[in-house]
Amino acid sequence: QKEVEQDPGPLSVPEGAIVSLNCTYSNSAFQYFMWYRQYSRKGPELLMYTYSSGNKEDGRFTAQVDKSSKYISLFIRDSQPSDSATYLCAMSVRTNAGKSTFGDGTTLTVKP
Amino acid sequence: GAVVSQHPSWVICKSGTSVKIECRSLDFQATTMFWYRQFPKQSLMLMATSNEGSKATYEQGVEKDKFLINHASLTLSTLTVTSAHPEDSSFYICSARDQQGRFTEAFFGQGTRLTVV
Repeated sequence: QKEVEQDPGPLSVPEGAIVSLNCTYSNSAFQYFMWYRQYSRKGPELLMYTYSSGNKEDGRFTAQVDKSSKYISLFIRDSQPSDSATYLCAMSVRTNAGKSTFGDGTTLTVKP
Repeated sequence: GAVVSQHPSWVICKSGTSVKIECRSLDFQATTMFWYRQFPKQSLMLMATSNEGSKATYEQGVEKDKFLINHASLTLSTLTVTSAHPEDSSFYICSARDQQGRFTEAFFGQGTRLTVV
Protein backbone atom coordinates (compact mmCIF):
# COMPACT_ATOMS: atom_id res chain seq x y z
CA GLN A 1 0.00 0.00 0.00
CA LYS A 2 1.27 3.46 -0.88
CA GLU A 3 1.91 5.95 1.90
CA VAL A 4 -0.06 8.59 0.01
CA GLU A 5 -3.13 7.78 -2.06
CA GLN A 6 -4.57 10.19 -4.57
CA ASP A 7 -7.33 9.58 -7.09
CA PRO A 8 -5.73 10.12 -10.52
CA GLY A 9 -8.98 11.17 -12.13
CA PRO A 10 -9.21 12.51 -14.76
CA LEU A 11 -11.56 15.14 -13.45
CA SER A 12 -13.46 17.38 -15.84
CA VAL A 13 -15.57 20.33 -14.67
CA PRO A 14 -17.21 23.36 -16.29
CA GLU A 15 -15.72 26.79 -15.80
CA GLY A 16 -16.83 28.36 -12.53
CA ALA A 17 -17.33 25.08 -10.73
CA ILE A 18 -15.93 24.28 -7.31
CA VAL A 19 -13.26 21.59 -7.51
CA SER A 20 -12.40 19.25 -4.67
CA LEU A 21 -9.14 17.30 -4.77
CA ASN A 22 -8.24 14.83 -2.05
CA CYS A 23 -5.46 12.68 -0.67
CA THR A 24 -5.30 10.14 2.11
CA TYR A 25 -2.19 8.98 3.87
CA SER A 26 -1.13 6.26 6.22
CA ASN A 27 1.95 7.68 7.94
CA SER A 28 0.82 9.51 11.08
CA ALA A 29 4.26 11.13 11.34
CA PHE A 30 3.55 13.43 8.39
CA GLN A 31 3.38 16.98 9.66
CA TYR A 32 3.72 19.17 6.58
CA PHE A 33 1.27 19.06 3.72
CA MET A 34 1.69 20.63 0.31
CA TRP A 35 -0.27 20.95 -2.88
CA TYR A 36 1.55 21.41 -6.16
CA ARG A 37 0.25 22.23 -9.61
CA GLN A 38 2.07 20.75 -12.57
CA TYR A 39 1.45 21.73 -16.15
CA SER A 40 2.39 19.32 -18.89
CA ARG A 41 6.17 18.95 -19.33
CA LYS A 42 6.90 21.39 -16.50
CA GLY A 43 8.16 21.10 -12.95
CA PRO A 44 5.67 21.27 -10.05
CA GLU A 45 4.70 24.68 -8.72
CA LEU A 46 3.87 25.03 -5.03
CA LEU A 47 0.28 26.19 -4.47
CA MET A 48 -0.39 25.70 -0.80
CA TYR A 49 1.57 24.69 2.25
CA THR A 50 0.04 23.80 5.59
CA TYR A 51 1.17 22.53 8.93
CA SER A 52 -1.21 20.81 11.36
CA SER A 53 -4.93 20.33 11.00
CA GLY A 54 -7.25 23.08 9.86
CA ASN A 55 -7.92 25.26 6.86
CA LYS A 56 -5.73 27.66 4.95
CA GLU A 57 -7.04 29.97 2.29
CA ASP A 58 -5.21 31.76 -0.51
CA GLY A 59 -7.38 33.47 -3.08
CA ARG A 60 -9.48 30.87 -4.85
CA PHE A 61 -7.63 28.01 -3.17
CA THR A 62 -8.36 26.46 0.21
CA ALA A 63 -6.29 23.68 1.71
CA GLN A 64 -7.79 21.53 4.42
CA VAL A 65 -6.00 19.06 6.67
CA ASP A 66 -7.68 16.52 8.94
CA LYS A 67 -4.94 14.67 10.76
CA SER A 68 -7.36 12.53 12.74
CA SER A 69 -8.70 11.08 9.49
CA LYS A 70 -5.35 11.30 7.66
CA TYR A 71 -7.10 13.19 4.91
CA ILE A 72 -6.24 16.38 3.09
CA SER A 73 -8.15 18.38 0.51
CA LEU A 74 -7.64 21.21 -1.90
CA PHE A 75 -10.66 23.24 -2.97
CA ILE A 76 -10.61 25.50 -6.01
CA ARG A 77 -13.42 28.04 -6.24
CA ASP A 78 -14.57 29.66 -9.46
CA SER A 79 -12.39 27.30 -11.47
CA GLN A 80 -10.84 28.66 -14.66
CA PRO A 81 -9.56 26.94 -17.81
CA SER A 82 -6.07 28.01 -16.73
CA ASP A 83 -6.49 25.76 -13.69
CA SER A 84 -6.35 22.75 -16.00
CA ALA A 85 -3.28 20.84 -14.85
CA THR A 86 -2.22 17.91 -12.71
CA TYR A 87 -2.44 18.53 -8.98
CA LEU A 88 -0.06 16.70 -6.70
CA CYS A 89 -0.36 16.40 -2.97
CA ALA A 90 2.86 15.96 -1.01
CA MET A 91 3.71 15.36 2.60
CA SER A 92 6.80 15.31 4.74
CA VAL A 93 7.84 14.44 8.23
CA ARG A 94 10.23 17.33 8.61
CA THR A 95 10.83 20.46 6.64
CA ASN A 96 14.07 22.16 5.70
CA ALA A 97 15.80 18.80 5.64
CA GLY A 98 13.12 16.22 5.07
CA LYS A 99 12.01 14.76 1.80
CA SER A 100 8.45 14.76 0.53
CA THR A 101 6.27 11.85 -0.42
CA PHE A 102 4.03 12.60 -3.36
CA GLY A 103 0.65 11.36 -4.44
CA ASP A 104 0.24 10.23 -8.04
CA GLY A 105 -1.55 13.43 -9.00
CA THR A 106 -5.07 14.24 -10.19
CA THR A 107 -5.48 15.53 -13.72
CA LEU A 108 -8.02 18.35 -13.86
CA THR A 109 -9.62 19.84 -16.95
CA VAL A 110 -11.76 22.96 -16.65
CA LYS A 111 -13.89 23.42 -19.73
CA PRO A 112 -14.87 26.93 -20.86
CA GLY B 1 8.99 32.31 -4.02
CA ALA B 2 12.52 31.27 -4.84
CA VAL B 3 13.74 30.35 -8.33
CA VAL B 4 15.33 27.07 -9.32
CA SER B 5 16.69 26.75 -12.84
CA GLN B 6 17.22 23.39 -14.49
CA HIS B 7 19.14 22.87 -17.70
CA PRO B 8 18.67 21.53 -20.30
CA SER B 9 14.89 21.38 -20.54
CA TRP B 10 15.11 18.51 -22.97
CA VAL B 11 17.86 16.32 -24.38
CA ILE B 12 18.10 13.46 -26.83
CA CYS B 13 21.12 11.22 -26.63
CA LYS B 14 22.37 7.99 -28.10
CA SER B 15 22.35 4.81 -26.10
CA GLY B 16 25.63 4.34 -24.24
CA THR B 17 26.46 8.02 -23.88
CA SER B 18 26.30 10.12 -20.70
CA VAL B 19 24.11 13.12 -20.06
CA LYS B 20 24.57 15.84 -17.43
CA ILE B 21 21.65 17.80 -16.01
CA GLU B 22 22.22 20.96 -13.99
CA CYS B 23 20.09 22.36 -11.19
CA ARG B 24 20.78 25.88 -9.96
CA SER B 25 19.19 27.91 -7.18
CA LEU B 26 19.23 31.43 -8.59
CA ASP B 27 18.36 33.66 -5.65
CA PHE B 28 19.10 31.55 -2.60
CA GLN B 29 21.64 29.10 -1.27
CA ALA B 30 20.61 25.49 -1.06
CA THR B 31 22.46 23.04 1.14
CA THR B 32 20.03 20.34 0.09
CA MET B 33 18.73 19.51 -3.33
CA PHE B 34 16.56 16.60 -4.34
CA TRP B 35 16.47 14.72 -7.64
CA TYR B 36 13.24 13.14 -8.80
CA ARG B 37 12.21 11.04 -11.73
CA GLN B 38 8.72 11.09 -13.18
CA PHE B 39 7.18 8.68 -15.67
CA PRO B 40 4.15 9.68 -17.74
CA LYS B 41 0.98 9.97 -15.68
CA GLN B 42 2.85 8.97 -12.54
CA SER B 43 4.06 10.85 -9.54
CA LEU B 44 7.52 12.04 -8.66
CA MET B 45 9.85 9.33 -7.47
CA LEU B 46 12.68 10.55 -5.28
CA MET B 47 16.01 9.29 -6.57
CA ALA B 48 18.48 10.91 -4.22
CA THR B 49 19.12 13.72 -1.78
CA SER B 50 22.09 15.89 -2.64
CA ASN B 51 23.96 17.66 0.14
CA GLU B 52 26.51 20.36 -0.55
CA GLY B 53 30.05 19.16 0.06
CA SER B 54 29.15 15.57 0.82
CA LYS B 55 28.02 12.41 -0.91
CA ALA B 56 24.46 12.10 -2.06
CA THR B 57 22.02 9.81 -0.31
CA TYR B 58 20.34 7.48 -2.76
CA GLU B 59 16.91 5.92 -2.39
CA GLN B 60 16.60 2.17 -2.38
CA GLY B 61 16.79 0.70 -5.85
CA VAL B 62 18.54 3.69 -7.43
CA GLU B 63 21.93 2.83 -8.91
CA LYS B 64 24.42 5.33 -7.57
CA ASP B 65 27.01 4.39 -10.20
CA LYS B 66 24.55 5.08 -12.96
CA PHE B 67 23.09 8.31 -11.60
CA LEU B 68 26.05 10.38 -10.45
CA ILE B 69 25.20 13.39 -8.32
CA ASN B 70 27.56 16.22 -7.53
CA HIS B 71 26.70 19.16 -5.27
CA ALA B 72 29.88 21.18 -5.36
CA SER B 73 28.45 24.54 -4.35
CA LEU B 74 25.48 25.99 -2.51
CA THR B 75 23.79 26.92 -5.77
CA LEU B 76 24.55 24.04 -8.10
CA SER B 77 23.85 20.33 -8.16
CA THR B 78 24.35 18.09 -11.18
CA LEU B 79 22.91 14.72 -12.13
CA THR B 80 24.83 12.68 -14.67
CA VAL B 81 23.11 9.72 -16.26
CA THR B 82 25.98 7.46 -17.28
CA SER B 83 25.84 4.95 -20.13
CA ALA B 84 22.25 5.89 -20.78
CA HIS B 85 19.81 3.33 -22.17
CA PRO B 86 16.30 3.74 -23.56
CA GLU B 87 14.78 2.68 -20.23
CA ASP B 88 16.41 5.75 -18.66
CA SER B 89 14.19 7.95 -20.81
CA SER B 90 12.09 9.95 -18.37
CA PHE B 91 11.37 13.39 -16.93
CA TYR B 92 13.97 14.36 -14.34
CA ILE B 93 13.19 17.15 -11.87
CA CYS B 94 15.27 18.76 -9.16
CA SER B 95 14.15 20.72 -6.13
CA ALA B 96 16.05 22.82 -3.64
CA ARG B 97 15.56 24.04 -0.09
CA ASP B 98 16.64 27.45 1.12
CA GLN B 99 19.60 27.26 3.51
CA GLN B 100 18.56 30.41 5.30
CA GLY B 101 15.20 28.93 6.14
CA ARG B 102 13.22 31.75 4.54
CA PHE B 103 11.04 29.12 2.97
CA THR B 104 10.17 25.88 4.61
CA GLU B 105 9.21 24.18 1.40
CA ALA B 106 11.27 23.13 -1.59
CA PHE B 107 11.13 24.79 -4.99
CA PHE B 108 11.25 22.81 -8.19
CA GLY B 109 13.13 23.30 -11.41
CA GLN B 110 11.40 23.16 -14.77
CA GLY B 111 12.40 19.56 -15.36
CA THR B 112 14.50 17.86 -18.04
CA ARG B 113 12.98 15.47 -20.51
CA LEU B 114 15.57 12.86 -21.43
CA THR B 115 15.08 10.66 -24.46
CA VAL B 116 17.63 7.93 -25.12
CA VAL B 117 17.57 6.53 -28.64
